[in-house]
Amino acid sequence: DGGITQSPKYLFRKEGQNVTLSCEQNLNHDAMYWYRQDPGQGLRLIYYSQIVNDFQKGDIAEGYSVSREKKESFPLTVTSAQKNPTAFYLCASRKLTGGGEEQFFGPGTRLTVL
Amino acid sequence: GESVGLHLPTLSVQEGDNSIINCAYSNSASDYFIWYKQESGKGPQFIIDIRSNMDKRQGQRVTVLLNKTVKHLSLQIAATQPGDSAVYFCAEMITGGGNKLTFGTGTQLKVEL
Repeated sequence: DGGITQSPKYLFRKEGQNVTLSCEQNLNHDAMYWYRQDPGQGLRLIYYSQIVNDFQKGDIAEGYSVSREKKESFPLTVTSAQKNPTAFYLCASRKLTGGGEEQFFGPGTRLTVL
Repeated sequence: GESVGLHLPTLSVQEGDNSIINCAYSNSASDYFIWYKQESGKGPQFIIDIRSNMDKRQGQRVTVLLNKTVKHLSLQIAATQPGDSAVYFCAEMITGGGNKLTFGTGTQLKVEL
């Protein structure tokens, strides 16, 4: 069963704590992306990676960090430096060669800071 | 105290009618455009896409129209069904430029029975 999985679905964090959100894909996609979505708003790009061991900042990277040690995995860490981390986080992936331009999204993780 | 929030534009249609959702994009250099559907609490799903060398593309029950002159994109849904109720986002991209999508704020489509 191919696709993108994100875990956990719901995550609660105390202020001042770092937390890591998981994103895994078995689609053999090259590029992976992290977006943040706030209520009633569109998606904003946090980080993206087009190849293993390389990633670039998106529009709102401050307070976040990522790694891309394996092609299948692109975890996102929300650090204590992120001032307003409560949001819905979406991971996406895309095949860069031999595929279309569209990005495929996971089911999302809803992070709430208590 | 006063509550502050953002409210999505909402389009209400009767079941069976056609829906037209509009989107203004920002970058005249964008050459690829895509529509996503997002149901509550879920990730966006791909609906249809179009490249800038086209002005119309049709899928199953959906049509996307592109007007580059006024930087406008529209999504037409024929014979709208209750299952079409969702938030619809357009996104634009400059291909080869990091493959980054820029999303609009979305439109809430409500289908009334």
